[in-house]
Amino acid sequence: AQSVTQLGSHVSVSEGALVLLRCNYSSSVPPYLFWYVQYPNQGLQLLLKYTTGATLVKGINGFEAEFKKSETSFHLTKPSAHMSDAAEYFCAVSDPVRGNNRLAFGKGNQVVVIP
Amino acid sequence: EAGVTQFPSHSVIEKGQTVTLRCDPISGHDNLYWYRRVMGKEIKFLLHFVKESKQDESGMPNNRFLAERTGGTYSTLKVQPAELEDSGVYFCASSQEFRREQYFGPGTRLTVT
Repeated sequence: AQSVTQLGSHVSVSEGALVLLRCNYSSSVPPYLFWYVQYPNQGLQLLLKYTTGATLVKGINGFEAEFKKSETSFHLTKPSAHMSDAAEYFCAVSDPVRGNNRLAFGKGNQVVVIP
Repeated sequence: EAGVTQFPSHSVIEKGQTVTLRCDPISGHDNLYWYRRVMGKEIKFLLHFVKESKQDESGMPNNRFLAERTGGTYSTLKVQPAELEDSGVYFCASSQEFRREQYFGPGTRLTVT
């Protein structure tokens, strides 16, 4: 079974500072990888995804993530935090086997941006 | 293009009652998924429809939960009878055929008292 680890349920970052959210997965084969963001009172929005190809993927709102197979990681970064980045962030994985689409999520990181 | 919609946004029911949640996927999306987040826990998969067929229902917690997708359009998730541990946020998501990106609705917050 696949599992996802996101450490630190709450993450505080100063406005303008680097945002780094860590995601490690456990899977028998390299999975498909996703980061989602949930703003208050909204649904989950896809930030970015990795399926195949280039291991550094860019997403919306200036976020990017790098797939590192050797480290079984898919950490999310943004060079400079903005107040609007305050939200909850979820890392998720799915099995690349066709037809097995279910997502396994980490527990999420609640990001607080300090002015 | 309209996103995934869910109804109701909130529901408060008493233990033993029945509740039905509805999800309307993005038009043309064959894949429809249900997930649940219990407070303090991670979002958990419940089941996956491809059109009107259940592709994977391995995450359904027990037989008090019944999901349907008649006609391959909207889906309902019925909980009968509801228990206290069923409280949480129920998310629906949809995706296109052969695509892995899932688009989520805003969720239904269910409180069982």
